[in-house]
Amino acid sequence: DIVMTQSPDSLAVSLGERATINCKSSQSVLYSLDNKNYLAWYQQKPGQPPKLLLYWASTRHSGVPDRFSGSGSGTDFTLTISSLQAEDVAVYYCQQYFSAPPYTFGQGTELEI
Amino acid sequence: EVQLVQSGGGLVQPGRSLRLSCTASGFTFGDYVMNWVRQAPGKGLEWVGFIRSKANGGTTEYAASVRGRFTISRDDSKRIAYLQMNSLKTEDTAVYYCTREGLWRPHDAFYIWGQGTMVTVSS
Repeated sequence: DIVMTQSPDSLAVSLGERATINCKSSQSVLYSLDNKNYLAWYQQKPGQPPKLLLYWASTRHSGVPDRFSGSGSGTDFTLTISSLQAEDVAVYYCQQYFSAPPYTFGQGTELEI
Repeated sequence: EVQLVQSGGGLVQPGRSLRLSCTASGFTFGDYVMNWVRQAPGKGLEWVGFIRSKANGGTTEYAASVRGRFTISRDDSKRIAYLQMNSLKTEDTAVYYCTREGLWRPHDAFYIWGQGTMVTVSS
């Protein structure tokens, strides 16, 4: 199984400042046949289901503000929120969909103001 | 509107069974792989299993923690995915989400999520 490890576990950032969350996979999630990184980021607010933010490591899902961006390739990935807004308080998860079963998620990063 | 609406769930005793349903609307349900993901209270996300589209065999895959106890099925005519949970254990207590993959193969991200349904296994 591919193990996904996020850092940090929690993060406090001031409004308007940059937030950075890291995700590391135990093996590469870059598929050589299509040159895509099979890595997604989700946002989960309290009492709500997760919501897809980014797929293919860096492609924003429809309706996601452009302050959210993703980078990285292979085994190391980063989610960046360029200017934190109050509504961004949530838990963020990375997920690999390169190899299944099983799909695997990181343990989550709790983002606070 | 593209959405997944879940039903079922509740309180059940250890060793008993429960079935969850996930009703889709706003898209061609039969074309998509459907997954189930769970989240124990205060914990992270755990993938439970998926069912492929009929065009891709309609076969299923499961997490090791539920294999042999849980069964995923689908009724494309009714646009419903099911999660049949047997021999439930206290550690199965969680919010269960159904979720729809995208169409990219071999695998894709989880684009649409149901609202979640709570399953509590307790005597």
